[in-house]
Amino acid sequence: QTVVTQEPSFSVSPGGTVTLTCGLSSGSVSTGYYPSWYQQTPGQAPRTLIYTTNTRSSGVPDRFSGSILGNKAALTITGAQADDESDYYCVLYMGSGIWVFGGGTKLTVL
Amino acid sequence: EVQLVESGGGLVQPGGSLRLSCAASGFTFSDYWMNWVRQAPGKGLEWVANIKRDGSSKYYVDSVKGRFTISRDNAKNSLYLQMNSLRAEDTAVYYCARGPEVYSMPVYWGQGTLVTVPS
Repeated sequence: QTVVTQEPSFSVSPGGTVTLTCGLSSGSVSTGYYPSWYQQTPGQAPRTLIYTTNTRSSGVPDRFSGSILGNKAALTITGAQADDESDYYCVLYMGSGIWVFGGGTKLTVL
Repeated sequence: EVQLVESGGGLVQPGGSLRLSCAASGFTFSDYWMNWVRQAPGKGLEWVANIKRDGSSKYYVDSVKGRFTISRDNAKNSLYLQMNSLRAEDTAVYYCARGPEVYSMPVYWGQGTLVTVPS
């Protein structure tokens, strides 16, 4: 069974740039996996940042961007702010109607 | 404005059943794929099931196949999740989530409803 992989944790300095990745335990992520990215703070519902690789969801600032980097999907945050400190999840389409989330990345801004 | 409001969660004994509902408003419900996504306490997100615009296709994560059934009533702008043979590991907040145009991934989310199955 293919697992969707994410960094368990990451840290970034305020104003800095960070790239979180979303990979597969076997194989490469391509646009055909329609990678999507979500931000979640404790006790809140997820907020969609990016879907279908690089489409920004309504109201999401352009300092959040999505791409394919090498064999992984990537979420880049530029000009990190204190309220970017959250959990970030990706999801990939595995075919046959099935979606699989990654385990999430806890981002610290310090 | 897209609004999704889940209801029906609660405490249920192992082996019991529960039916979750999601009331949709602010968009043409029948135009979009709909999903259920859950999150166990302190854990990550898990996609559970989704259903096509007209209800003709339904997909499930392996762990709920044969126990959960997703359905929709486009006339009532409502999504449902019938959960049978519940287990302790089904304890989670269950989110209803709408897809964007064309695709089925979750994009617009409700606030969730908590289902607790004690061990």
